[in-house]
Formats: sequence, structure tokens, C-alpha cells
Amino acid sequence: EIVLTQSPATLSLSPGERATLSCRASQSVSSYLAWYQQKPGQAPRLLIYDASNRATGIPARFSGSGSGTDFTLTISSLEPEDFAVYYCQQRSNWPLMYTFGQGTKLEIK
Amino acid sequence: QITLKESGPTLVKPTQTLTLTCTFSGFSLSTSGVGVGWIRQPPGKALEWLALIYWNDDKRYSPSLKSRLTITKDTSKNQVVLTMTNMDPVDTATYYCAHTGYAGVIISGFDYWGQGTLVTVSS
Repeated sequence: EIVLTQSPATLSLSPGERATLSCRASQSVSSYLAWYQQKPGQAPRLLIYDASNRATGIPARFSGSGSGTDFTLTISSLEPEDFAVYYCQQRSNWPLMYTFGQGTKLEIK
Repeated sequence: QITLKESGPTLVKPTQTLTLTCTFSGFSLSTSGVGVGWIRQPPGKALEWLALIYWNDDKRYSPSLKSRLTITKDTSKNQVVLTMTNMDPVDTATYYCAHTGYAGVIISGFDYWGQGTLVTVSS
């Protein structure tokens, strides 16, 4: 079973700063990786799928990169509404299954 | 417009079987590439994928919960049902259903989610 490790657990930044979140897979997931944003009391919101494709309606300040085992979510300039918990998630083919990371909390410094 | 909504009991007793229904609109689960999954989240904890069913009735389960889960679909009713047997207090969580994929394309993420339903397991 593929394990996803997200780092850091908590990231403290100020609005306007650049955020870089990491997700590492225990074995290659090719480009089958997604990123989500979750705010308290809300369902997760898909930001990025297939490692680098922005989902519908997601602002251009969110970008994803990486392949294989190392992935990054970058928020180029933080807006107040970006402070939330972020999860990565992989889809593996053999066997076909999904796994989520433990999350990174992005908090206001 | 794609929407999904979970329904089912809010309280179940230990050892009972949980049955959750996801009722959706705005897409067909007979369209190639489309799937509906279930994901849960214990209070204050991370997301956990449980199961997924594809348009072609391919069914996949979390290895750690496979023996307790069954996922089915009723395309005519636009519903997906998840059953989980032998419920335990550690299964207390918000349960979400979510949509993935589009015409002929399987994607790695879940792009539309229901609001979630909190299920508490307690005697």
C-alpha cells in the first residue's frame, strides 16, 4: 500500500507570501496525484489533479508539480481565504486504490 | 450542475451494519470514465478513502476495510450505496461521497463532493 507523507505538518505564513507544500509517495504514483483544500466544516475542494492540472474554477495562484514520488503544491501569493488544511491524494493502478496524506495546515503568521 | 448528497443514520450501535446512500444529479454513472467514491474523516483527523465504483461496475476497496465494505450502484435511481459491517466507535466520522472522471477520461482526483454526513457509533 502506497503511503503519502506531507510536509510540513504546519506552515505559518503571512498574506502575500509564497507557500510551498510537499507530498512524498512511498513508491512511484506516476502523475496520479491530486491536491485538496479543506476549510473547517466544509467538504474538501479539488485544486489540482494529475499532478499539475488545475481543477475548474481554481485561481492561477495555485499550481502543482512533480511526478513519481515527489510532488509540490505552490500558492504564489497567499490570499486570506487560502489559510486552510491541504491534502494530497494518490490513485494507484495496481492495485487500483486511493490514499490520502495526513494534511498540512496552512496558518496565518 | 453536478451535486451529490449523502443520507443514512446519524447514530449506529457497535456491531451494527451501516448503510449510506449517495444520491446524485448532473451526471450519469453509465458514462465511461465516471466513478463515485466514498471517503470518511474522523473528527479532527485526516481523510480516508473507503471505496469506489466505476461506470462499468468495477468496484475497489480500501485493503484495510475490504472485508467490511460493499459498494453498489443503481444507475436508474442515480444512487450509490455503501454498506459497512461490524461498526465500532472508531468508525465515528463524517462520511462523504464524491464524483470522479468525465466522458472517457479517468482522473486522479474527486472533483465534486457531497456535504458529508456525520455518523456516530455508540451504544
